[in-house]
Amino acid sequence: TQLLEQSPQFLSIQEGENLTVYCNSSSVFSSLQWYRQEPGEGPVLLVTVVTGGEVKKLKRLTFQFGDARKDSSLHITAAQPGDTGLYLCAQVSYSGAGSYQLTFGKGTKLSVIP
Amino acid sequence: NAGVMQNPRHLVRRRGQEARLRCSPMKGHSHVYWYRQLPEEGLKFMVYLQKENIIDESGMPKERFSAEFPKEGPSILRIQQVVRGDSAAYFCASSPFTGLNTEAFFGQGTRLTVV
Repeated sequence: TQLLEQSPQFLSIQEGENLTVYCNSSSVFSSLQWYRQEPGEGPVLLVTVVTGGEVKKLKRLTFQFGDARKDSSLHITAAQPGDTGLYLCAQVSYSGAGSYQLTFGKGTKLSVIP
Repeated sequence: NAGVMQNPRHLVRRRGQEARLRCSPMKGHSHVYWYRQLPEEGLKFMVYLQKENIIDESGMPKERFSAEFPKEGPSILRIQQVVRGDSAAYFCASSPFTGLNTEAFFGQGTRLTVV
């Protein structure tokens, strides 16, 4: 089973600051997804990256997929209190018998202080 | 178009009782996944179902846990004879197809507390 390591585990920053969180694996990702989960809610998909070196932007969020497809980063510019939440990366992988699974990292818990 | 609906949102059970968690997928979605989230842990895959079929139950504990997705009605995750260690948030997700670009839509979860 591929392990996904996310760092940092916790991050507390002031409103307006920039930040980057990371997702790493010892194996190649077939495809990688980033989710955000707010307290008491389910995860919400932010982006899917498939191609090595790929960069995707979603407003103030920039997602990068490493050239070797073994790491990914999420950069947030000018963080706002509404960005507070648990950021999860997930590997999509084929587990056999027609089944694709999501394997999640433990997440980075972000707190943006007004 | 309503999202994935899970109920109840919160469930309290005494040790030894049964817990039934329900999940109605998004309209048009025939693929349902159940995940468990323990405090300070990531989401762990439990089971993947299509209508009337269990496709992959490799993440399900061998005893006391079962899941179904009948032709009519919601998917059910059933936990018999609950123990304290079953306390967790259980999330259901649905998708319109399965593959490397699968987009999973999650419900709000059911938070099970075993007392």
